[in-house]
Amino acid sequence: GAVVSQHPSWVICKSGTSVKIECRSLDFQATTMFWYRQFPKQSLMLMATSNEGSKATYEQGVEKDKFLINHASLTLSTLTVTSAHPEDSSFYICSATPGLAASYEQYFGPGTRLTVT
Amino acid sequence: SQKIEQNSEALNIQEGKTATLTCNYTNYSPAYLQWYRQDPGRGPVFLLLIRENEKEKRKERLKVTFDTTLKQSLFHITASQPADSATYLCALVPSRRGNEKLTFGTGTRLTIIP
Repeated sequence: GAVVSQHPSWVICKSGTSVKIECRSLDFQATTMFWYRQFPKQSLMLMATSNEGSKATYEQGVEKDKFLINHASLTLSTLTVTSAHPEDSSFYICSATPGLAASYEQYFGPGTRLTVT
Repeated sequence: SQKIEQNSEALNIQEGKTATLTCNYTNYSPAYLQWYRQDPGRGPVFLLLIRENEKEKRKERLKVTFDTTLKQSLFHITASQPADSATYLCALVPSRRGNEKLTFGTGTRLTIIP
């Protein structure tokens, strides 16, 4: 089946530093990748949608200058949390789909737990 | 306002029985509805997708129904096992135009009691 990996699986960083999270589709080409954030006991909230080679589309309320997304190839997307603050601590999950639409089934990575101290 | 509600935050079912989870939505006209399983500290895993013109979909012990009149999907696990314990999320694509974001419900935490 389709496999999506994320790295790192967890990270602790100091307030004010930047953190990069990688999302890779291992056995298929991901036309579209999505980045979600999940707070404890809450559902997944979409942050942004990225298509290979083009700028990401951010959801309302998500600061594009704070959460930098790069989708440089059909198998790799990165999310950089810049100048992280404790309120950015969360579980970040990416997903990928071989299709162009969100209506296709999505394959999720295992998630990255970010803790900002 | 638009809402996706999974009626039970938590559900306990005796092993061997059928677990039925509910997903209701308001002010959406979804073309697709999907169900995912999420274990603690992990990303969701895709289970089933059902289209608006499909009434029912099955996969092994799983069955999903989709009633666009009631604006409801039911997710059934038959012959439930402790290994089925997890949080189950419904998600839909909000319109028929396609290329829309997948919007998730809040999930139901299912516990199968041995």
